[in-house]
Amino acid sequence: QKEVEQDPGPLSVPEGAIVSLNCTYSNSAFQYFMWYRQYSRKGPELLMYTYSSGNKEDGRFTAQVDKSSKYISLFIRDSQPSDSATYLCAMNGNNFNKFYFGSGTKLNVKP
Amino acid sequence: DVKVTQSSRYLVKRTGEKVFLECVQDMDHENMFWYRQDPGLGLRLIYFSYDVKMKEKGDIPEGYSVSREKKERFSLILESASTNQTSMYLCASSFQGANYEQYFGPGTRLTVT
Repeated sequence: QKEVEQDPGPLSVPEGAIVSLNCTYSNSAFQYFMWYRQYSRKGPELLMYTYSSGNKEDGRFTAQVDKSSKYISLFIRDSQPSDSATYLCAMNGNNFNKFYFGSGTKLNVKP
Repeated sequence: DVKVTQSSRYLVKRTGEKVFLECVQDMDHENMFWYRQDPGLGLRLIYFSYDVKMKEKGDIPEGYSVSREKKERFSLILESASTNQTSMYLCASSFQGANYEQYFGPGTRLTVT
């Protein structure tokens, strides 16, 4: 079983829709939870990170962690065509130098 | 702006060749990482370095070695390239204690024929 599972998509939505991207994980020791955005032929860029449980908001983006369910989400409000990219979740636990990445969900926002 | 640069965007090498991938960061980060990214498998850590001349193996170090002689530069070496090392290679860096904020380079698409 993979440490982190992420639906690869693709997920196609109309402009303005609310998007929900999700990851599940198996290791209850994970403490830091990150979301990266990766445009085609580019390296990933950090969108936001959350420590432990709870929500974090940054503009149109909200990250949510539910440690009891081992489930994290990224919500994108008022999605734009420029949000079209692959979104990767990542997390780590006791070994602070070791991160586990999801395989990424490809999002397409249609104008 | 943090900048992580990688020596090549695309590289084609033959089986058995020795391959060097270079990464340079300009933010004085202590930590540097090498990942490979394959469809359906996500990013997998090959090696990690937390200081000059210091390194730790990641999940898939077999067939790779690394070198960090200067703080800003981290090299990945494929001693004898094989076709199963065809992949996207990504370098990243971060401050010590802030590994959750890694900055990635644009990647090198390596094809081994």
